[in-house]
Amino acid sequence: AQSVSQHNHHVILSEAASLELGCNYSYGGTVNLFWYVQYPGQHLQLLLKYFSGDPLVKGIKGFEAEFIKSKFSFNLRKPSVQWSDTAEYFCAVNALSGATNKLIFGTGTLLAVQP
Amino acid sequence: SQTIHQWPATLVQPVGSPLSLECTVEGTSNPNLYWYRQAAGRGLQLLFYSVGIGQISSEVPQNLSASRPQDRQFILSSKKLLLSDSGFYLCAGSRQDSMEKLFFGSGTQLSVL
Repeated sequence: AQSVSQHNHHVILSEAASLELGCNYSYGGTVNLFWYVQYPGQHLQLLLKYFSGDPLVKGIKGFEAEFIKSKFSFNLRKPSVQWSDTAEYFCAVNALSGATNKLIFGTGTLLAVQP
Repeated sequence: SQTIHQWPATLVQPVGSPLSLECTVEGTSNPNLYWYRQAAGRGLQLLFYSVGIGQISSEVPQNLSASRPQDRQFILSSKKLLLSDSGFYLCAGSRQDSMEKLFFGSGTQLSVL
């Protein structure tokens, strides 16, 4: 069964610091990978996604993520965070075989950026 | 664009009472629909998903059930609520032909007392 692990549950950074949030998944086949973000009081929204091709994907608001197949990882990065990046971030995986109509989420990482 | 309408926003129910949360979709036909529960430290847990009318897949054993009586309607139910059913419930949808993007409802905060 597919599962997603986010190792950092709570991250506190100062503005302009660099960010890297870890995400590992357990599934041996082909996957689609996603990062979703939930800003305080708002709906979950898509930050970026990987389907195929270049393993380094760019998302909105300066975020990027790198798919490393050998490590089953899809870490989220941003070179310089802003106070407005304070939010909860969820990694998600969709397996492309078997029951393909499921998106499994990680436990989330709460990011607090201090001005 | 696709929109999920979910209600009520908050609900307080006594233990043992029934539950019915409704979710409707606009802007797409024949969507995949999902019920997630969001809990602190546990992230988004997939409870049920449906690929069509009357088709429900359950991900975790629990006190809840789901039904899809119409293409754009997805209902989460319980006959008798437990304290452990308290949580934040999210309805979500995606286009049938693509998992490219989930669109979410605004959620229901359920408190079972």
